[in-house]
Amino acid sequence: EPEVTQTPSHQVTQMGQEVILRCVPISNHLYFYWYRQILGQKVEFLVSFYNNEISEKSEIFDDQFSVERPDGSNFTLKIRSTKLEDSAMYFCASSAEGRLGNTIYFGEGSWLTVV
Amino acid sequence: GNSVTQMEGPVTLSEEAFLTINCTYTATGYPSLFWYVQYPGEGLQLLLKATKADDKGSNKGFEATYRKETTSFHLEKGSVQVSDSAVYFCALSSDNNNDMRFGAGTRLTVKP
Repeated sequence: EPEVTQTPSHQVTQMGQEVILRCVPISNHLYFYWYRQILGQKVEFLVSFYNNEISEKSEIFDDQFSVERPDGSNFTLKIRSTKLEDSAMYFCASSAEGRLGNTIYFGEGSWLTVV
Repeated sequence: GNSVTQMEGPVTLSEEAFLTINCTYTATGYPSLFWYVQYPGEGLQLLLKATKADDKGSNKGFEATYRKETTSFHLEKGSVQVSDSAVYFCALSSDNNNDMRFGAGTRLTVKP
């Protein structure tokens, strides 16, 4: 069964460092997403991406964050200068379409620890 | 705005017990409703969904009915197994699915 894959599964970084989280969405999907889950809290929407541009983003997704689809298969989340409060599980997701009710498939997550 | 409230855990049950995890929502329009499950060490997996009122989503013995009158989407299973131990998330999407809202998650532990 096709799946969304994410790397790394766990990364520890020092505050102020740049981090890139990588994702390979399901191959025929067109919509890509990043969500995050701070330990013990809700899963929160960060950003959605379609047709090589951001289609929607939340308040969390400030100037420190960026996303990119550098080639036909990868979808990356970059945090330019990490803060302690960026420590969370980051989930990449993809869907075939963006319309209401379409299933979003999630990866296993990348656990980011900022020290 | 749109939001989801689900029963706080943790929930601990014996094998073969009946499970209910409550979920209520607040949304404008006609959202789609989902239950996702996260097994230990794994990502979020879609368990079931319902896209309109009175629809029943079902999978692996789990069921949930989209109740517009009570704005609810409670998850039920008649007889849980140890392998059902996981965290369950109720979620909602509206408009174009870009902004899926999740509940806080309910951790279920099933003991033999």
